[in-house]
Amino acid sequence: GENVEQHPSTLSVQEGDSAVIKCTYSDSASNYFPWYKQELGKGPQLIIDIRSNVGEKKDQRIAVTLNKTAKHFSLHITETQPEDSAVYFCAATKAAGNKLTFGGGTRVLVKP
Amino acid sequence: DAGVIQSPRHEVTEMGQEVTLRCKPISGHDYLFWYRQTMMRGLELLIYFNNNVPIDDSGMPEDRFSAKMPNASFSTLKIQPSEPRDSAVYFCASSLGGSAQPQHFGDGTRLSIL
Repeated sequence: GENVEQHPSTLSVQEGDSAVIKCTYSDSASNYFPWYKQELGKGPQLIIDIRSNVGEKKDQRIAVTLNKTAKHFSLHITETQPEDSAVYFCAATKAAGNKLTFGGGTRVLVKP
Repeated sequence: DAGVIQSPRHEVTEMGQEVTLRCKPISGHDYLFWYRQTMMRGLELLIYFNNNVPIDDSGMPEDRFSAKMPNASFSTLKIQPSEPRDSAVYFCASSLGGSAQPQHFGDGTRLSIL
């Protein structure tokens, strides 16, 4: 089955700096890659996703890049703010199956 | 719009008791997923339904776990008998169209088995 590795497990940045989280996946058939943000006491919330026919996608301060050849994808958060502090999860799946495999999560702390 | 609603938010019970977790998916969504989250194992898919029919329950840890979806607006996850190692946060999620579509999560049930 699919295996998703996520790094780093913790990330501390100064407010205003950028944060980058990287994930690798094992199944070359995977073609959908969402990113979720989980705040304390809440369920994961989708913040951005990318499909395999696209190399990059941006939504305001958040961007995701995908390298299908290398089987890795990354989340980029620019101009970080304290409210960006949370745990972020990457995930991967393929259209033929319905299992979303999650990475282990990255705890991001934005210091004011 | 109402999101995925789970109840109870917290449950504390003694080992051996039956536990029932409840979920109301987003109206119109045809897929429902049950996940378990622990520090050691992260987010694990337990089971998912399509149009109220269980499709894959390979993630259900043991026969003590069972899940039902009697109609499009309600699902339950039951543990009987419960054990301390079942302590975790259980999430329900729903989506429209299944895989490769955004899943919307509830806020979870934090389960503690003493």
